[in-house]
Amino acid sequence: GAVVSQHPSRVICKSGTSVKIECRSLDFQATTMFWYRQFPKQSLMLMATSNEGSKATYEQGVEKDKFLINHASLTLSTLTVTSAHPEDSSFYICSASVSGGNEQFFGPGTRLTVL
Amino acid sequence: TQLLEQSPQFLSIQEGENLTVYCNSSSVFSSLQWYRQEPGEGPVLLVTVVTGGEVKKLKRLTFQFGDARKDSSLHITAAQPGDTGLYLCAGDNNDMRFGAGTRLTVKP
Repeated sequence: GAVVSQHPSRVICKSGTSVKIECRSLDFQATTMFWYRQFPKQSLMLMATSNEGSKATYEQGVEKDKFLINHASLTLSTLTVTSAHPEDSSFYICSASVSGGNEQFFGPGTRLTVL
Repeated sequence: TQLLEQSPQFLSIQEGENLTVYCNSSSVFSSLQWYRQEPGEGPVLLVTVVTGGEVKKLKRLTFQFGDARKDSSLHITAAQPGDTGLYLCAGDNNDMRFGAGTRLTVKP
């Protein structure tokens, strides 16, 4: 149980384009989803926390207009990187938790490369 | 500065050796979790510890939560090449915060 999927697993795009990454909880309802970014050989950095049906809470230094997060249902959250630039190239990982739970279940990650 | 400090940052050992990695903080956590991450994949939850002084075992892995709930350790007995990976601790203090990780390499 507690499986989280991400799509796509890899994406390469041109600078200036927008990229949407999907995060789905497959066998449970995720009241909260988290988006992380991980640069090579570094730890996970929390970007934002989203609760179903409400606006995401962004961490300091994360531009909410650049990283659009939508959590429209209890099983799906999306992260859209708008006007992507090479410095946005990174490994993006989502995680999901259930109401009242203190455990997060991670997706497999999405490798974004912006040319 | 990291809220959670993990040490050592890198560790390379031979198969069969024992090792301990540490996760320290000045903050108190309601719970602390350990994850293992392999390259190109998301972290996989190993254990959650909640009670100060708690010890949990997962086969050859032993996890301990400090009495004050500020630190934790992970001990691996008779390490195997399959244990190779990035070990991350994460503390729950309203928000989940990750340490920088310990990159473990176990050589056959």
